[in-house]
Amino acid sequence: GAGVSQSPRYKVAKRGQDVALRCDPISGHVSLFWYQQALGQGPEFLTYFQNEAQLDKSGLPSDRFFAERPEGSVSTLKIQRTQQEDSAVYLCASSLARLWDRDSNQPQHFGDGTRLSIL
Amino acid sequence: AQTVTQSQPEMSVQEAETVTLSCTYDTSENNYYLFWYKQPPSRQMILVIRQEAYKQQNATENRFSVNFQKAAKSFSLKISDSQLGDTAMYFCAFMKYNAGNMLTFGGGTRLMVKP
Repeated sequence: GAGVSQSPRYKVAKRGQDVALRCDPISGHVSLFWYQQALGQGPEFLTYFQNEAQLDKSGLPSDRFFAERPEGSVSTLKIQRTQQEDSAVYLCASSLARLWDRDSNQPQHFGDGTRLSIL
Repeated sequence: AQTVTQSQPEMSVQEAETVTLSCTYDTSENNYYLFWYKQPPSRQMILVIRQEAYKQQNATENRFSVNFQKAAKSFSLKISDSQLGDTAMYFCAFMKYNAGNMLTFGGGTRLMVKP
């Protein structure tokens, strides 16, 4: 498909388990973002990649959260020792834009998200 | 840091009528982008309209238009001739001028279009 693909669409895990969420961006998109969206709220930034480089991880809420994009395409968001407050929709977005591009008109394209429920 | 505020948690409008969704933001940046995104129950964020802060002319996209007041830091969305398919969550978002930066979202407005 031509859009951003995220899997799984739903994930249920018991508290304390580790989970891995996958994002397959649009082919050729340099930038990749992860956002966390709690129920009834707007998305909040977690981390940003330009190609394989993680340029900003200031939004990751704790050291239990880890993201990688080893070959500059597919990205994985891993959450270790999950807690109930980790329950949320995790959105991935990709863009042709590069950091420090000036006056770029490249929008972010979002996937359908993964709904994570921690029991 | 930037903040985005949407003061209307829920709104409703009759089909074919016009509705305006409010958004205010706070930033010390002079150049930036503002966006409205639509999120239907399928969860995918869909870009509705975009405004560059250095452009005085308000952006329009078919039935969607914005009222951008830079001095007041206000960015409202007007939906004309509302359709049932417009029912969704709407999020206002801010992005700094250097493309590649993250979006800062407001808390959202749930819009219901009634037949």
